[in-house]
Amino acid sequence: QSVLTQPPSVSGAPGQRVTISCTGNSSNLGAGYDVHWYQQLPEAAPTLLIYANTNRPSGVPDRFSGSKSGTSASLAITGLQAEDEADYYCQSYDSSLTGSVLFGTGTKVSVL
Amino acid sequence: EVQLVETGGGLIQPGGSLRLSCAASGFTVSSDYMGWVRQAPGKGLEWVSTTYSNGNTYYADSVKGRFTVSRDNSRNTVSLQMSSLRAEDTAVYYCARTYCGGDCPFENWGQGTLVIVSS
Repeated sequence: QSVLTQPPSVSGAPGQRVTISCTGNSSNLGAGYDVHWYQQLPEAAPTLLIYANTNRPSGVPDRFSGSKSGTSASLAITGLQAEDEADYYCQSYDSSLTGSVLFGTGTKVSVL
Repeated sequence: EVQLVETGGGLIQPGGSLRLSCAASGFTVSSDYMGWVRQAPGKGLEWVSTTYSNGNTYYADSVKGRFTVSRDNSRNTVSLQMSSLRAEDTAVYYCARTYCGGDCPFENWGQGTLVIVSS
């Protein structure tokens, strides 16, 4: 079964840079499908943070950036702020099952 | 402004049925792609289904044959009919708007509605 694997947690001090990895395989990220990232604040619905690997929707600070290479993708947060403490999920598509959307396992970002 | 509002959640016994609705505003559901995503308590996001603009719907294996999506164009709503519910279906259910059925992002999300399957 295809999965997108993320580290369960990452942490950093205010102002630091943290990165979250999202690792897939040849039927999802490695097949060239785009990756998207969501931020889920406590007790809230997810919101789109990065789309199509590197793009930020209007209103998302440029402290957030995305990248993708081969079977992996990354989300970077520079100048970490207290309000960035949240869960983050990657998402892509898997060609092994028709119509199958895949979410990553999720990463909790803690600001020390 | 795009808005999505889910309703219909609640407590249901195992084996029972429940219908969730998602009322959309700011766009037309029949012209876009609509998804359902769920999140079990303390767990991650799980894709449930995506309905294409042509009306075709694709489901996750975990719900295939038990869940059915329908669209009411006159009310601009999408519904998720859930049957043969199991304890593992307990989750917050979100409806979300996307613009394709493949590797497109879910641009807009509702606030979610909680379904608890328990005796």
